[in-house]
Amino acid sequence: QKEVEQNSGPLSVPEGAIASLNCTYSDRGSQSFFWYRQYSGKSPELIMFIYSNGDKEDGRFTAQLNKASQYVSLLIRDSQPSDSATYLCAVNVLGTYKYIFGTGTRLKVLA
Amino acid sequence: DTAVSQTPKYLVTQMGNDKSIKCEQNLGHDTMYWYKQDSKKFLKIMFSYNNKELIINETVPNRFSPKSPDKAHLNLHINSLELGDSAVYFCASSQGASSNQPQHFGDGTRLSIL
Repeated sequence: QKEVEQNSGPLSVPEGAIASLNCTYSDRGSQSFFWYRQYSGKSPELIMFIYSNGDKEDGRFTAQLNKASQYVSLLIRDSQPSDSATYLCAVNVLGTYKYIFGTGTRLKVLA
Repeated sequence: DTAVSQTPKYLVTQMGNDKSIKCEQNLGHDTMYWYKQDSKKFLKIMFSYNNKELIINETVPNRFSPKSPDKAHLNLHINSLELGDSAVYFCASSQGASSNQPQHFGDGTRLSIL
């Protein structure tokens, strides 16, 4: 089982819709969770991070964490074509400097 | 004001050569990383330094040797380059010993082996 799993996609949503990206992780010691956006040919850029169970909102983005079920998700409201990118989930395990990335989900927002 | 800068941006070289990639961050962070991103976009940790001390050394061929002269710099030297080394190499940094700090990435170095 991969340590951090994401559906590779592509996930296609119409402009204005809600895009829902999911990530599951295997290590119960994971304590910090990050979502990065990576445009083709560019570097990953941080979108959000979440440490506690529940929801965390920042503008059009909401991160949701459920440690009991070992999943973290990212919702993008009012999706725009400029949101089209690969979204990487990253997990950090308590007591380590190691960040483990998923393989990313490619999101396509159709105009 | 580039926060994490890598040079060169592109590196095209022949098999068997030795090359270096440099990374510098001006964020005041004390932890730096090297990642390799392959053609399938999987981002895999290679090395990490905290205050010039090696703290992560993943299963990487010993042809790869990181060097951190100070906490703002982390360079990567690769000996005897092989075709499988072709990838994008990202440098990143984060702050503090706590594991809950996000990482900031450089623009990447695209290495192509002929």
